[in-house]
Amino acid sequence: IAGITQAPTSQILAAGRRMTLRCTQDMRHNAMYWYRQDLGLGLRLIHYSNTAGTTGKGEVPDGYSVSRANTDDFPLTLASAVPSQTSVYFCASSDAGGQDTQYFGPGTRLTVL
Amino acid sequence: AQRVTQPEKLLSVFKGAPVELKCNYSYSGSPELFWYVQYSRQRLQLLLRHISRESIKGFTADLNKGETSFHLKKPFAQEEDSAMYYCALLKSGAGKSTFGDGTTLTVKP
Repeated sequence: IAGITQAPTSQILAAGRRMTLRCTQDMRHNAMYWYRQDLGLGLRLIHYSNTAGTTGKGEVPDGYSVSRANTDDFPLTLASAVPSQTSVYFCASSDAGGQDTQYFGPGTRLTVL
Repeated sequence: AQRVTQPEKLLSVFKGAPVELKCNYSYSGSPELFWYVQYSRQRLQLLLRHISRESIKGFTADLNKGETSFHLKKPFAQEEDSAMYYCALLKSGAGKSTFGDGTTLTVKP
């Protein structure tokens, strides 16, 4: 059982390019989340999904989009990357409609030049 | 709006000393509170949650609704406790958590 995985592990991207960060979980959790982790700012929620087919905006959604076509996958897309999106991105999932412990992926370190 | 405050970004103690990582929250309803930990080069993972009322790796945390706090405590810190600690509040029914800014704990030998 892999749990929750993310790809790529790290990426260097030119500003203006499009990028999709992948997240897959095999725990059949209903809820999934994307966070960015920045020094001094902690974890900030970008987007979330309480169940397949639904998504919602978090604290810092601008410049990002998500989709939830099925239970397992929750990709995060940067349509036109900017340097301020340089960060470590974590995907997480939780059971019980989000009313439970969150399980985190290993993270993707993204650098936008 | 709900808010979680961890007033200390950095905390350093010596091995064997007691440690307390502070967490204060603001939320008008009944909160569910968690502590997550991120060891070096590892992913975030749950340390404990208040409804479990259990001790994990010697850590405990008591929800104090009067002081709106959920401080994490350990009587005798170990070097392997060095990590980043996040306090998180789950708003009942909302399905998403609010995290504090995190506290980096360093336990010196």
